[in-house]
Amino acid sequence: QVQLQESGPGLVKPSQTLSLTCTVSGASISGGGYYWTWIRQPPGKGLEWIGYIYNSGNTYSNPSLNSRVTLSLDTSRRQFSLSLSSVTAADTAVYYCARGHRSGYFDYWGQGTLVTVSS
Amino acid sequence: SYVLTQPPAVSEAPGKTARITCVGNNIGSKSVHWYQQKPGQAPVLVTYNDRDRPSGIPERFSGSNSGNTATLTIRRVEAGDEADYFCQVWDTISDWVFGGGTKLTVL
Repeated sequence: QVQLQESGPGLVKPSQTLSLTCTVSGASISGGGYYWTWIRQPPGKGLEWIGYIYNSGNTYSNPSLNSRVTLSLDTSRRQFSLSLSSVTAADTAVYYCARGHRSGYFDYWGQGTLVTVSS
Repeated sequence: SYVLTQPPAVSEAPGKTARITCVGNNIGSKSVHWYQQKPGQAPVLVTYNDRDRPSGIPERFSGSNSGNTATLTIRRVEAGDEADYFCQVWDTISDWVFGGGTKLTVL
């Protein structure tokens, strides 16, 4: 069974960098042609795609966040990571990691981690 | 940018059929995926590629897609189906797009 688990600080100060890691078990992240993706959900709101990293290491981010997003992959640890710089209160959200398919759907999700941006 | 519009809320009595719509420009030309999200939990994929179901999802859940509207149909609604439901597509310009979500209330 494929499982994903997010980890990282739950509180980040404004203007600092939010850093999260997703650990994958039950599947290899170096093969299979999946898009290892970050998605967020502000409290009480809908879902927003942040970006993905492919098993080749190629990345692509939501243009609305592009300049602030860094994605990386550590295949030996079965982890992929997100860094979001210059955060503001608007970045407060539950952050999910998920496995994406070529046809665009996400079949496995982490449980989500709430990150609050506040001084 | 590509926009998906869902009704904010749908309600239905137990045992009846609930239908949740997702409207987008020529959405019938895209593959539509639906997720169920219960409070405090991650979304769960309930249908993908318009009408396919992941293993473990009851046959009561079905999807359809044509023209400008995709529909998630839940037959014989149960109390446990009460949740938020999101539609989602991949668009060549907007990338991954989610609908705003529909809260299903079981009366």
